[in-house]
Amino acid sequence: QQPVQSPQAVILREGEDAVINCSSSKALYSVHWYRQKHGEAPVFLMILLKGGEQKGHEKISASFNEKKQQSSLYLTASQLSYSGTYFCGTDIYTGTYKYIFGTGTRLKVLA
Amino acid sequence: DSGVTQTPKHLITATGQRVTLRCSPRSGDLSVYWYQQSLDQGLQFLIQYYNGEERAKGNILERFSAQQFPDLHSELNLSSLELGDSALYFCASGSLDRPNTGELFFGEGSRLTVL
Repeated sequence: QQPVQSPQAVILREGEDAVINCSSSKALYSVHWYRQKHGEAPVFLMILLKGGEQKGHEKISASFNEKKQQSSLYLTASQLSYSGTYFCGTDIYTGTYKYIFGTGTRLKVLA
Repeated sequence: DSGVTQTPKHLITATGQRVTLRCSPRSGDLSVYWYQQSLDQGLQFLIQYYNGEERAKGNILERFSAQQFPDLHSELNLSSLELGDSALYFCASGSLDRPNTGELFFGEGSRLTVL
């Protein structure tokens, strides 16, 4: 049930790009992306809704393919501050709606 | 500051003991979610309350229980603690019963260590 993220971990140099994928076996109605710094609380990055609407407050882009039940997060020109673990989050219906997170992707940006 | 308050921040206790973790949601938020994060692991959904009622339950152990009070704060009770219960417990709040069009706001977490 838990969405699977890929890659599990990635190391970048400052200025490089990365793509993080989130894939679900269940239908997705919306996908959220969060970033968690080590030992801190997850922080909301972006929400993607069916129909293409996006809401976010950082300069990070993402895509949502409803048919493939996948979402991708695009980090361009990465900065040191992008380091952390990225989680996708979504409502999964299994009799009731449960808000669960993907397996996570660890991103480290080096100077 | 997310506006979500969790107490205590750190807790060290022994196996077999019982602890209570407390969460105060953001002002105006009706939903409270509890997540468990073991060392360097993902966020495991435990339970959700909306306006005082249980809305969804994840893989929450029978030794764990939770409730949301009329003032909307929530408590997570962990009993007969085992070493494997050591984790960071996060509370998150949201304004809707389902967060599909809104974000969740997380507290700083309660770090539980069971010795």
